[in-house]
Amino acid sequence: AQRVTQPEKLLSVFKGAPVELKCNYSYSGSPELFWYVQYSRQRLQLLLRHISRESIKGFTADLNKGETSFHLKKPFAQEEDSAMYYCALMDSSYKLIFGSGTRLLVRP
Amino acid sequence: NAGVTQTPKFQVLKTGQSMTLQCAQDMNHEYMSWYRQDPGMGLRLIHYSVGAGITDQGEVPNGYNVSRSTTEDFPLRLLSAAPSQTSVYFCASSTGKGAEQFFGPGTRLTVL
Repeated sequence: AQRVTQPEKLLSVFKGAPVELKCNYSYSGSPELFWYVQYSRQRLQLLLRHISRESIKGFTADLNKGETSFHLKKPFAQEEDSAMYYCALMDSSYKLIFGSGTRLLVRP
Repeated sequence: NAGVTQTPKFQVLKTGQSMTLQCAQDMNHEYMSWYRQDPGMGLRLIHYSVGAGITDQGEVPNGYNVSRSTTEDFPLRLLSAAPSQTSVYFCASSTGKGAEQFFGPGTRLTVL
């Protein structure tokens, strides 16, 4: 079954500390993976996708097919990074399957 | 461009009532979808459409109907509301496969 797992409901770090939000997936084919973010009082929006291999707002994510993971990382967290983060997988029918989300809290 | 718009922002229903959540986009996107967001469960796909006249079921379609008569609009209908449908509903649109999905602001629905 297709599934996206985000094991941490809440991740709290201090400003300047490294951040890693975990995402594991279960999918039989070749997945397309995304990270979406929802800042307070804002709409859910795309942060990055694995096919573009880009860094957005200092965040990167590498697809590890062996470990079926797509963890989101940032070397130095900022207070403005505090938000809800969702990992998502797009299947062959173009449906987007979301994980349960991780709330990142960056303390000053 | 207004992007993806949703109405209403808030709604309270009694069990058994019906209503339609409206979603519209002005970006000429072919792909539109409806999600519900519940605490601890992330977003779950209800129904989606890959173009006008074409709709299909997502993960949790029971209790909901959709139609796509135009490219711009994708309304979600609750025929007989139940307390289990209390949730935040998001509409999204995109140009298609692998593309970024643009989300609406959401509708917070409470069913008493």
